This record gives sequence, structure tokens and C-alpha cells, in this order.
Amino acid sequence: GAGVSQTPSNKVTEKGKYVELRCDPISGHTALYWYRQSLGQGPEFLSYFQGTGAADDSGLPNDRFFAVRPEGSVSTLKIQRTERGDSAVYLCASSPQGAGNTIYFGEGSWLTVV
Amino acid sequence: QQQVKQSPQSLIVQKGGISIINCAYENTAFDYFPWYQQFPGKGPALLIAIRPDVSEKKEGRFTISFNKSAKQFSLHIMDSQPGDSATYFCAATRTGGYQKVTFGTGTKLQVIP
Repeated sequence: GAGVSQTPSNKVTEKGKYVELRCDPISGHTALYWYRQSLGQGPEFLSYFQGTGAADDSGLPNDRFFAVRPEGSVSTLKIQRTERGDSAVYLCASSPQGAGNTIYFGEGSWLTVV
Repeated sequence: QQQVKQSPQSLIVQKGGISIINCAYENTAFDYFPWYQQFPGKGPALLIAIRPDVSEKKEGRFTISFNKSAKQFSLHIMDSQPGDSATYFCAATRTGGYQKVTFGTGTKLQVIP
């Protein structure tokens, strides 16, 4: 498909477990974003990549969260020692290089921690 | 700290009516104000956006009104249709860099036939 692809679409995990959420951006998009959307809320910024490096990860809630993009394309959001409060939809978005461009969101990965 | 406040939380409008959603922001450094539309199970999609150097922008049935001095902006949906039923988010960001977007809390719009 031509859009941002996220897997898994749904993930149920037990408290304390480790999870990985994958994002495959639109081909050619150099900018990649992670946002988190809790039920009934707007998305909240987590991190931004331009290329391979995390240019801004100031939105990651704590050191249990880590995002990587080793080859400048696919990104993985890693969550260690999951807590029930981590339950949310994790949205990935991408955009072409350049300021002011539209960002295109994927459908999200719905994480439930039980 | 909620930097973009949005109201109402939910809205029911009859088909053909006007839907109005209001937002207010605090950070005067914001210079780009997009509105996103989100359907259940989907990610947000850009609907329309405005910069503070204009007071109004219209695209089809969708209009943004912007009041820079009051730090408020609103979305008007004219001739609302059942297909417009979705959650709408106002947002704000700074251009000149990347899209670190601050979203409002959302308005769930239901357009009834």
C-alpha cells in the first residue's frame, strides 16, 4: 500500500512484558514521527526522526520507551516493563523533507496492557 | 499543561446544518493551525489548515476562522452530511522545523439524517 503501515494493529500484553511496535513510512519520506493517543484524547507527540537519528525524543514519557530507526526507513518503538497506563493507540506518521509539509498518519497500533 | 483547548467535546447536527467547533491556544509561538479528521480505527488526516496572517480560509464546505488577538480559531462545516460524522481535532505547531503538533482533545461530531 501507499500509506504508513503499522504492525501489529492490536497487541495485548501482560504488565511487565516488553513490546515492539513497528512503523513502515511512506516510501521516500525522510521525516518520521511517533505519537500516542489515549482514549478520548488527541494524539501527543513522542518522538521525531529525520533520517536515522532521533532528532527530538522529548515526548517519550520515561526511559522505558525507546524509538529507533537504524536504516532511515522503518522505525520501531520499544516499550520495556509495560504498565497498564501505557495502554493507548500508538500512531506513526511520516512526511517528506522540508518544513510545513503535511504529515501522514498510519492507522496505529492499539496496545492494551493487562 | 493543555496548550490547545477545544470545545465542544461532542456535537450532534442535523443533515444540512452548520457544525461549529472552537479552539483556543496559549503559545504565541504557534504559527500553523491544522484541523484533523479522524474516523474510528483510522489515523488522523489533515482536513484544512491556516496561518495567522489570514483571518479566514475556505475549502469547499469547510472554513477556518482565525482571531489572532484572541488566540482563538474555529472550524465551520457548512451543509453537514452524515459522512462528516467523525472526530475532529484542532491543532497547532510551529513551522520552520518539523511537525511537533499539539492537538486539542477532540470533538466527536454526529450528523443525523
